Amino acid sequence: GAVVSQHPSRVICKSGTSVKIECRSLDFQATTMFWYRQFPKQSLMLMATSNEGSKATYEQGVEKDKFLINHASLTLSTLTVTSAHPEDSSFYICSARVGTRSYNEQFFGPGTRLTVL
Amino acid sequence: QQQVKQSPQSLIVQKGGISIINCAYENTAFDYFPWYQQFPGKGPALLIAIRPDVSEKKEGRFTISFNKSAKQFSLHIMDSQPGDSATYFCAASIGNNDMRFGAGTRLTVKP
Repeated sequence: GAVVSQHPSRVICKSGTSVKIECRSLDFQATTMFWYRQFPKQSLMLMATSNEGSKATYEQGVEKDKFLINHASLTLSTLTVTSAHPEDSSFYICSARVGTRSYNEQFFGPGTRLTVL
Repeated sequence: QQQVKQSPQSLIVQKGGISIINCAYENTAFDYFPWYQQFPGKGPALLIAIRPDVSEKKEGRFTISFNKSAKQFSLHIMDSQPGDSATYFCAASIGNNDMRFGAGTRLTVKP
């Protein structure tokens, strides 16, 4: 299957600081990437859909000014958590869709554990 | 709004047994049904997927059974092994639109 990387895998930051998470598709071009948030023992919650070269589409209830998404190339999307607070602590996972498919085949990154102190 | 209902929430199976996880969906427009396997602290990995034009797909010990009329699909893990212990998510999507995930099933395979 296709490979998606995420960096960093873990990050601990102080309240009020900003954190950037990178998501890269390593062996394919991804016109669309997705950002999910996962709480312990729960399912994946879609935060936003990121299309290369255009603004991200955010799910209802997700603050676009807090979770900044940039999809600058066909292999890279970034999520910046601005002015992070303890309630933003979570497991963030990106996925990338194979652009040549007519259906929604997504491959996930390994996730980033964010802890805000 | 949950569009994919997954059961059971947790499952314990003896080594060598068959693990069965079920999912039901509501929207008949769904056209892609993947299963993902997730280990603690890791991202989900695509395990196997099916399109609605077939009733069954098998890859090694993993089989998806798809019942279009009942709007249900299930994952069967044959000869379950302790290394299969993980959380499994079913999902469904329409074209290139959002993926809808089930709530997950935590599988434990006892040696």
